[in-house]
Amino acid sequence: QKEVEQDPGPLSVPEGAIVSLNCTYSNSAFQYFMWYRQYSRKGPELLMYTYSSGNKEDGRFTAQVDKSSKYISLFIRDSQPSDSATYLCAMRSGGYGNKLVFGAGTILRVKS
Amino acid sequence: GAGVSQSPRYKVTKRGQDVTLRCDPISSHATLYWYQQALGQGPEFLTYFNYEAQPDKSGLPSDRFSAERPEGSISTLTIQRTEQRDSAMYRCASSPGTGETQYFGPGTRLLVL
Repeated sequence: QKEVEQDPGPLSVPEGAIVSLNCTYSNSAFQYFMWYRQYSRKGPELLMYTYSSGNKEDGRFTAQVDKSSKYISLFIRDSQPSDSATYLCAMRSGGYGNKLVFGAGTILRVKS
Repeated sequence: GAGVSQSPRYKVTKRGQDVTLRCDPISSHATLYWYQQALGQGPEFLTYFNYEAQPDKSGLPSDRFSAERPEGSISTLTIQRTEQRDSAMYRCASSPGTGETQYFGPGTRLLVL
């Protein structure tokens, strides 16, 4: 079983919908949690960064971390066609080296 | 440079040949990472450098894989005696230091026939 599990989708929603993307993990040492967005033929780009449990909001995006359940979420409000991409969760422990462990990525399609 | 660059963008090779992939990180970034990304999967860690030192190469799949960063800037990833299972996207990322945001390059798509 992988350290980080993520449903690959694809997830298809109409424009304006609220999108919920999720990952579960097994390694309790993970302390830093990230969401990357990857457009086709591009490298991943950092979208949200959260330390430990809690919520973080940035515009239309909200990241949630529940360490007790080993579960993280990304919510996208008022989704736009430009949000269509692959969303990758990533996480790491607090140890030296900053080795990121990624989920498989969820393909999101927002239809206009 | 403006961002992380990688070359070549695509590489097709025959089984048994050696290949070398290049990564040019964001200038002044101390830390550089290599990842392997299979189709439909997230990137998987291979190795990283802090300047020219290589503290962790635990993700390299076999001794056919090696990486260098001799002057603490540009890095190369070499795969010797390539096998079909080496076919993947190879991504490089850099960050100002360990524990900081990683910025990814566009990747090199390797196809081993």
